[in-house]
Amino acid sequence: DTGVSQDPRHKITKRGQNVTFRCDPISEHNRLYWYRQTLGQGPEFLTYFQNEAQLEKSRLLSDRFSAERPKGSFSTLEIQRTEQGDSAMYLCASLPGDELHEQYFGPGTRLTVT
Amino acid sequence: AQTVTQSQPEMSVQEAETVTLSCTYDTSESDYYLFWYKQPPSRQMILVIRQEAYKQQNATENRFSVNFQKAAKSFSLKISDSQLGDAAMYFCALQGGSEKLVFGKGTKLTVNP
Repeated sequence: DTGVSQDPRHKITKRGQNVTFRCDPISEHNRLYWYRQTLGQGPEFLTYFQNEAQLEKSRLLSDRFSAERPKGSFSTLEIQRTEQGDSAMYLCASLPGDELHEQYFGPGTRLTVT
Repeated sequence: AQTVTQSQPEMSVQEAETVTLSCTYDTSESDYYLFWYKQPPSRQMILVIRQEAYKQQNATENRFSVNFQKAAKSFSLKISDSQLGDAAMYFCALQGGSEKLVFGKGTKLTVNP
């Protein structure tokens, strides 16, 4: 069990560019969550997957954001036409679906839009 | 809508002393879970302790314990014998039916030697 991994750890991009982040959950965890954390705030839910199905999206997830989880393994989060307000830490978490309900978090991808 | 409120942006404690972090929440669901997560500087979020809402007994994990008051919708975290490694942001979180977490804004805990 290597834990949840995220790539890249840091991303600096210019406004208007597209960025894509990757999350590799703990193997056999069937649920995967994306959160966004801005400075001084707690994480906010963006979206989640059960296997390959995207079951819920937050209103925070504008049409510039898209997430996928092909084959129910890793997931990608893409932001198109980035804006300065997108600067944040993007956290991924996975959940095994057992009775403990514990989400295991990755280290996050810190996005800075200049 | 589910909400979580942490009214203490910052707290400090002397090493070996006890500190209590406050959290209140609101939900219309009858079945839910409450968590305290710890986020050390530049490190990932880790679970400190969990509480199932249907359980009356307060959860305990070594030096960490909670005071769960369901009627008051209060869920405080007590850290006993504080250690320097306890310094971190602490987030209270609520998990309902969809299992997404709703977090408070966090409390920054400083441990003074």
